[in-house]
Amino acid sequence: NAGVTQTPKFQVLKTGQSMTLQCAQDMNHEYMSWYRQDPGMGLRLIHYSVGAGITDQGEVPNGYNVSRSTTEDFPLRLLSAAPSQTSVYFCASSYSRGGRYEQFFGPGTRLTVL
Amino acid sequence: DAKTTQPNSMESNEEEPVHLPCNHSTISGTDYIHWYRQLPSQGPEYVIHGLTSNVNNRMASLAIAEDRKSSTLILHRATLRDAAVYYCILPSNRDDKIIFGKGTRLHILP
Repeated sequence: NAGVTQTPKFQVLKTGQSMTLQCAQDMNHEYMSWYRQDPGMGLRLIHYSVGAGITDQGEVPNGYNVSRSTTEDFPLRLLSAAPSQTSVYFCASSYSRGGRYEQFFGPGTRLTVL
Repeated sequence: DAKTTQPNSMESNEEEPVHLPCNHSTISGTDYIHWYRQLPSQGPEYVIHGLTSNVNNRMASLAIAEDRKSSTLILHRATLRDAAVYYCILPSNRDDKIIFGKGTRLHILP
């Protein structure tokens, strides 16, 4: 298994540009989520999904959209990038909701918005 | 999610055991206790989790208080590679948001 994969690894955007951060998992996990981590800080939940077709907002959803059309993929869209969105973005997945199973994290995407 | 409280930082000597505490006084009966760690410049990785009983795996042990209001992650013999930020979180089936706090930064002294 490849586990949780994220692309790209690094990205530089200009203010106002849009882009999609890709996340995929090959473990047939129901639960997927996106976090951001600002320098020296902890992880903050952006959006999460408990299954294909179901998404919901986390702690800091503004400026981001998600969709979950398949079990495997959970892309994160930045609609109009702002310097405040400069961060490292982590995708995570778990077999099911509720905490019975551990979460697996991807390697992260380092995003800089100029 | 129920809140967790962890010390901001801890130090330990190499090759000695480390006990990382976590308080979660508002935990509910269905909340699991999970521990993750994040090595420098890497994504978080799973360490261990449990519900009521103490748990052991190849990485660590998890000791859960009888009233479940606190838990302790035990690294039996710390190495320099264990220097990381350790997060204690409480995923719940009442609320699907899995929230991370600031964690404990563990420094290992050679």
